[in-house]
Amino acid sequence: QSVLTQPPSVSGAPGQRVTISCTGSSSNIGAGYDVHWYQQLPGTTPKRVVYGNTNRPSGVPDRFSGSRSGPSASLAITGLQAEDEADYYCLSYDSSLSAWVFGGGTKLTVL
Amino acid sequence: QVQLVQSGPEVKKPGASVKVSCKTSGYTFTSYGISWVRQAPGQGLEWLGWISAYNGDTNYAQKIKSRVTVTTEKFTSTVYLQLNNLRSDDTAVYYCARDLGSLGGFDMWGQGTRVTVSA
Repeated sequence: QSVLTQPPSVSGAPGQRVTISCTGSSSNIGAGYDVHWYQQLPGTTPKRVVYGNTNRPSGVPDRFSGSRSGPSASLAITGLQAEDEADYYCLSYDSSLSAWVFGGGTKLTVL
Repeated sequence: QVQLVQSGPEVKKPGASVKVSCKTSGYTFTSYGISWVRQAPGQGLEWLGWISAYNGDTNYAQKIKSRVTVTTEKFTSTVYLQLNNLRSDDTAVYYCARDLGSLGGFDMWGQGTRVTVSA
């Protein structure tokens, strides 16, 4: 059981908008620690798509956006494309564990 | 450009040890820490530990703390992960990643090293 909770799967049709939630607690996201999001295409290395809750690294399309509110965060993907089909993970720091913690991952299927 | 290049795949027997390397380049080695993350087959990402390339301070996940050691070799800008007393559930792809701290997460990752533990 992961410290950060993500839905196991989400899906959407091409062009649609999907959101992936990441729910933590008062020792991680709720304590103010930033949330980072990673995309892992099948058989590849994770790639950072959002850092510091809302920031996009250079080269990541503006279709990807992040937000944080209280003990939760979300990754939104608009204008879904087939190439967005991947696993997505949230990452934050937990002060009680003194450790980085990942969400369990969400598989995005583009219908 | 920033690169993290890991050592090749390993096959080990239960009870053995493995040492995986992560050679960095393209940035000032001592300016950032390195974290290690693993992914078991079909599973999610699991953080294992961190080292400061500046002073060698370490922090390990509680679950694996008794069996893991992360070290650096400054003159080659290389970080090592050693895992002892291997078990079958240590079978995974092991990644090193440049650690920017809580504000940035992990921005660059190695290509991964597959470690298989089998009798």
